[in-house]
Amino acid sequence: AQSVAQPEDQVNVAEGNPLTVKCTYSVSGNPYLFWYVQYPNRGLQFLLKYITGDNLVKGSYGFEAEFNKSQTSFHLKKPSALVSDSALYFCAVRPRVSSGSARQLTFGSGTQLTVLP
Amino acid sequence: NAGVTQTPKFRVLKTGQSMTLLCAQDMNHEYMYWYRQDPGMGLRLIHYSVGEGTTAKGEVPDGYNVSRLKKQNFLLGLESAAPSQTSVYFCASTESVGFMNTEAFFGQGTRLTVV
Repeated sequence: AQSVAQPEDQVNVAEGNPLTVKCTYSVSGNPYLFWYVQYPNRGLQFLLKYITGDNLVKGSYGFEAEFNKSQTSFHLKKPSALVSDSALYFCAVRPRVSSGSARQLTFGSGTQLTVLP
Repeated sequence: NAGVTQTPKFRVLKTGQSMTLLCAQDMNHEYMYWYRQDPGMGLRLIHYSVGEGTTAKGEVPDGYNVSRLKKQNFLLGLESAAPSQTSVYFCASTESVGFMNTEAFFGQGTRLTVV
């Protein structure tokens, strides 16, 4: 069964500083990996995904993520944080080949990012 | 605005009561999903549907039933609510199964409290 770990419940960073939100995964074979963001009282919004190809994936709002197969990680990064980036971030994984409900996304527990002015 | 709409947004139930959550999407998506979100546990899949008239169980289906009589609507039912079902429920839709090929669209959520 696949799983996702987001080791930090909370990440605080000063505005203008780089940010990293960590994600590691476990899945049979090669994964599809995703990041979603949730603002207060809203549904999840898609940020970026890794399917294949370049290990560095660029997404919305200046975010990027790097797929590292050897470390089974997919950390979310941004060079310069904004106060408006404060939100709940979810990493998700699904196996490349599977059937039934296992084809669905498995989400991490989420990381609350707070960018301090 | 196009997207996924959930009703109601808030609800308080007494133990043993029943209710239905409605999810509607106007993007002609084939695939629809119900998740529950609990603190520290992320999103867990309850049921999903790969097309009109079809449904399947997800990770945590017990205590819930679903129906997809129309392509645009996906209903989640609680026949006899329990306090363990206190959660925030999210509906999502995509064009293809597993969120692989296209962006997933989520509703704003339904906050359900069972007392």
